[in-house]
Amino acid sequence: RKEVEQDPGPFNVPEGATVAFNCTYSNSASQSFFWYRQDCRKEPKLLMSVYSSGNEDGRFTAQLNRASQYISLLIRDSKLSDSATYLCVVNLGGAGSYQLTFGKGTKLSVIP
Amino acid sequence: DADVTQTPRNRITKTGKRIMLECSQTKGHDRMYWYRQDPGLGLRLIYYSFDVKDINKGEISDGYSVSRQAQAKFSLSLESAIPNQTALYFCATSTGGPGGQPQHFGDGTRLSIL
Repeated sequence: RKEVEQDPGPFNVPEGATVAFNCTYSNSASQSFFWYRQDCRKEPKLLMSVYSSGNEDGRFTAQLNRASQYISLLIRDSKLSDSATYLCVVNLGGAGSYQLTFGKGTKLSVIP
Repeated sequence: DADVTQTPRNRITKTGKRIMLECSQTKGHDRMYWYRQDPGLGLRLIYYSFDVKDINKGEISDGYSVSRQAQAKFSLSLESAIPNQTALYFCATSTGGPGGQPQHFGDGTRLSIL
């Protein structure tokens, strides 16, 4: 049973392009949402939290759609250094749960 | 960012051996976690601890045990290693608080069981 689902990609995009990833989650009671970035053979690193009203951090914009149970990540003006795997992370159990469930990731390659 | 330190970074060992992976943190976080990552399977939670002497099983705890010796230290043991425990292992920490808090990961331990 897939609880946090992402398109594995790869997404191959040219430098300067805009790219968007979606992630769906199974439990409408989920409370916390994050995007992590993981480089090959490295540890996952928190990219940004996702808030109900949507939030932006430089070239990165995260959105939450509770009605359709998905979150999205938009990357504008892609850089070569954005090449990585992006993990969608959700606390599926809601406010009473402290565990996070990680998606399997979407691989992004930014091409010169 | 060496706030979460894992040792060893790499380990190759034989089937049946006992192995301990160690994790220490200087972030002052109460919660600590052990995950394994396999290609195509993503990160899976093995054990987690919210405080010293608090131990909870995760999704895939069989074949593993843990010890929370202090707030800053959380070790993972494989009592009798088997080849399908070959994986990349991560320790993570987080603050307390309601719901899921963002977790901060160590550099990982690459473990190979022959």
